[in-house]
Amino acid sequence: AQRVTQPEKLLSVFKGAPVELKCNYSYSGSPELFWYVQYSRQRLQLLLRHISRESIKGFTADLNKGETSFHLKKPFAQEEDSAMYYCALSGGFNAGGTSYGKLTFGQGTILTVHP
Amino acid sequence: DSGVTQTPKHLITATGQRVTLRCSPRSGDLSVYWYQQSLDQGLQFLIQYYNGEERAKGNILERFSAQQFPDLHSELNLSSLELGDSALYFCASSVELAEYNEQFFGPGTRLTVL
Repeated sequence: AQRVTQPEKLLSVFKGAPVELKCNYSYSGSPELFWYVQYSRQRLQLLLRHISRESIKGFTADLNKGETSFHLKKPFAQEEDSAMYYCALSGGFNAGGTSYGKLTFGQGTILTVHP
Repeated sequence: DSGVTQTPKHLITATGQRVTLRCSPRSGDLSVYWYQQSLDQGLQFLIQYYNGEERAKGNILERFSAQQFPDLHSELNLSSLELGDSALYFCASSVELAEYNEQFFGPGTRLTVL
């Protein structure tokens, strides 16, 4: 069974401080991992995905298969980064080997960046 | 709005009743996903349709059912409602089935069962 764990429900930092949102996963195959973000009064949206190896809004995330982790990091947090962050895993295949793309989400971390 | 749309925004009903939530995917997206978000369970995958066919099922109760119509919009039917069904129900869509595809989420329907 696939599982995503975000150990911190709440995370508070000051503006300019580094921030790391933790995500650990459990999956028997080769996972595709994502970070989704939900800003206040906005819909859930993709922040970044493992496969793209990109940096979005200064955030990066590295997949560590040995530690089964996909932590989200930003060296200097900004007030506009305050939001709910979800780590998600996509996986799961039918007998024919077709992936469906359904997402398994962690419980989410509310990040608050103080001025 | 060319994004995912969901109606209604809010729904208040009584236990034992039946409701239908509607979702229109982004133009061109063939895959529709339904998720339930509650305080205790978080965001949970319910069911997925691709081009009219059911493709994956998650933690969806037997009292719940869904379908995707030829115009690709989808409906989630919830029946014999219980207090515990109160939640935010999200619909998402993506272009195809691939696991690395970005899913685009709708604003959600907040269901309150009294």
